[in-house]
Amino acid sequence: AQKVTQAQTEISVVEKEDVTLDCVYETRDTTYYLFWYKQPPSGELVFLIRRNSFDEQNEISGRYSWNFQKSTSSFNFTITASQVVDSAVYFCALSEVPLIVGNKLVFGAGTILRVKS
Amino acid sequence: GAVVSQHPSWVICKSGTSVKIECRSLDFQATTMFWYRQFPKQSLMLMATSNEGSKATYEQGVEKDKFLINHASLTLSTLTVTSAHPEDSSFYICSAPRQPAEAFFGQGTRLTVV
Repeated sequence: AQKVTQAQTEISVVEKEDVTLDCVYETRDTTYYLFWYKQPPSGELVFLIRRNSFDEQNEISGRYSWNFQKSTSSFNFTITASQVVDSAVYFCALSEVPLIVGNKLVFGAGTILRVKS
Repeated sequence: GAVVSQHPSWVICKSGTSVKIECRSLDFQATTMFWYRQFPKQSLMLMATSNEGSKATYEQGVEKDKFLINHASLTLSTLTVTSAHPEDSSFYICSAPRQPAEAFFGQGTRLTVV
């Protein structure tokens, strides 16, 4: 069975601090996808990144960066120089590789990030 | 812009009534859509997979007769919460992939049953 663990329930930082959100996953599949989503208070899910299991290259997008370590089954997310607008709930998710279009996601419990000015 | 549109954004209904939530794929066809539920301060849990032209597939523990799913066309799936009760109050959100391995979500629907 697939499982995603986000051990950090809530993190509070002061603006401009760097913050890392942890994600550890479990799967028996050799090929899979990992996702990160941001959920602001409005509730919508904002897609941040998708990574397939064959691509362990770290990625940077502006102030966001992701560290995928297959050896430790982790897919951590770092926000550099955090801003108040980064305050939200962040979800890590895992899916199998779909045989057809569309794949269902298994979500972690989410991490509440509070950035104070 | 939005890839998936969900309506309504929020709804309040009386206990015992039914509520219909729509999920539309914009500018693309989706043979498969997914419905998730999120209770306050909890994670998202898959409820069911909506399949165009066939019956929906429900996850374990989800009542088929209570949560009716109809994938009426290649761009529309509806979730009807029948005989709603306060414990059904939750955030419902759909996903409609545009390509394999995609997972874009609608805006979500906040249901409150009073």
